[in-house]
Amino acid sequence: QVQLQESGPGLVKPSETLSLACTVSGASISSYYWSWIRQPPGKGLEWIGYGHYNGGTNYNPSLKSRVAISVDTSKNQLSLRLNSVTAADTAVYYCARDLRSYYGSGSYYNWFDLWGQGALVTVSS
Amino acid sequence: DIQMTQSPSSLSASVGDRVTITCRASQSISSYLNWYQQEPGKAPKLLIYAASTLQSGVPSRFSGSGSGTDFTLTIISLQPEDFATYYCQQSYSPLNTFGQGTKLAIK
Repeated sequence: QVQLQESGPGLVKPSETLSLACTVSGASISSYYWSWIRQPPGKGLEWIGYGHYNGGTNYNPSLKSRVAISVDTSKNQLSLRLNSVTAADTAVYYCARDLRSYYGSGSYYNWFDLWGQGALVTVSS
Repeated sequence: DIQMTQSPSSLSASVGDRVTITCRASQSISSYLNWYQQEPGKAPKLLIYAASTLQSGVPSRFSGSGSGTDFTLTIISLQPEDFATYYCQQSYSPLNTFGQGTKLAIK
């Protein structure tokens, strides 16, 4: 049974860096793509970006200048770093397995079939 | 960005009812549309992917249809555990985007 577990500080000061880890159990992190998705309190879902063990990443352009996602195969872990945070970054952060189906010449569509339970990060001084 | 608009934003229904939630994309997304259910305080759960493929373990009272820009999620014979918020998500673009959500409440 594959499980995802987010971890990291629940409180970050404005202008500092938010760092979260997602530990995957029951599957090799090298076998899939993995995404981070966030949800501000009482609001909808926003895709942040994905990472792959081969170093491949893609980010939401709205966050691209501040975000970094990486995969550590030795720890079977996905990481998220978001710098220069503000109150607008307060949210529940989810990691999710990002399954894909390919078509044509390199195009794909994807879906998030497994999610962690989420980690609430509050940005406040 | 591809904008996803769900309607209604909220609705109330009774156990045993049939409900339909609509999701419209700002441009054609073929059939690359997924549906999720989120209960309060919990992570979203995948219900349907590629517009109409039921995720393993999801009850058959859930179904999805549509292509292009217009999609629907239908739930027949509502059960108490179905009262939750539902989100659509497009994956036609690598910049995945979600609808704003539809809250399904008990009447």
